[in-house]
Amino acid sequence: EAQVTQNPRYLITVTGKKLTVTCSQNMNHEYMSWYRQDPGLGLRQIYYSMNVEVTDKGDVPEGYKVSRKEKRNFPLILESPSPNQTSLYFCASSSPSDRLNYGYTFGSGTRLTVV
Amino acid sequence: GESVGLHLPTLSVQEGDNSIINCAYSNSASDYFIWYKQESGKGPQFIIDIRSNMDKRQGQRVTVLLNKTVKHLSLQIAATQPGDSAVYFCADFAGGTSYGKLTFGQGTILTVHP
Repeated sequence: EAQVTQNPRYLITVTGKKLTVTCSQNMNHEYMSWYRQDPGLGLRQIYYSMNVEVTDKGDVPEGYKVSRKEKRNFPLILESPSPNQTSLYFCASSSPSDRLNYGYTFGSGTRLTVV
Repeated sequence: GESVGLHLPTLSVQEGDNSIINCAYSNSASDYFIWYKQESGKGPQFIIDIRSNMDKRQGQRVTVLLNKTVKHLSLQIAATQPGDSAVYFCADFAGGTSYGKLTFGQGTILTVHP
């Protein structure tokens, strides 16, 4: 089944403790992106990657890092999490060659709470 | 003082009614638009898309209308069912490429009453 898989689904952590949220897609998509979703603010892009070793900042990149060493994986790294990073995070992927679904395929989300 | 959170627009309809969800976008360079449905506890799911060279596109029970003059999108759902209850987002691509940044609207909560 074509999908984007995020782990973990739920995470509670303490301020300052480094964490990584993993994202993997099995559709050979070139493009991957991370979004955070907060009440009343919709989905905001954190970082995106147009292909292996090519990443760039989205609208709200502060406090986050990403890497794209392989096409299928795009982990989101929080070096020193803070409470304002408590949010629902989504990974998404896309490919312009996917004519049947030109939109993004989203993962199921990771609910992160930083205390 | 106490802060007040932003509230999403809401639409409540009876089962079987037609629903219309509206969305305004701001970027004149946007040339590709998507409607997503997000059910509780899940990621957004693609519903239908439309390119800027079209005014209307129909899918199964859904129709998207695009008015570029006023930068407005609408999603029409025919014979709305309880399973259609969700948050609906419009999103637009700018720059003429599917690699371009996808910008989301705030969303509309649709509630369908049996």
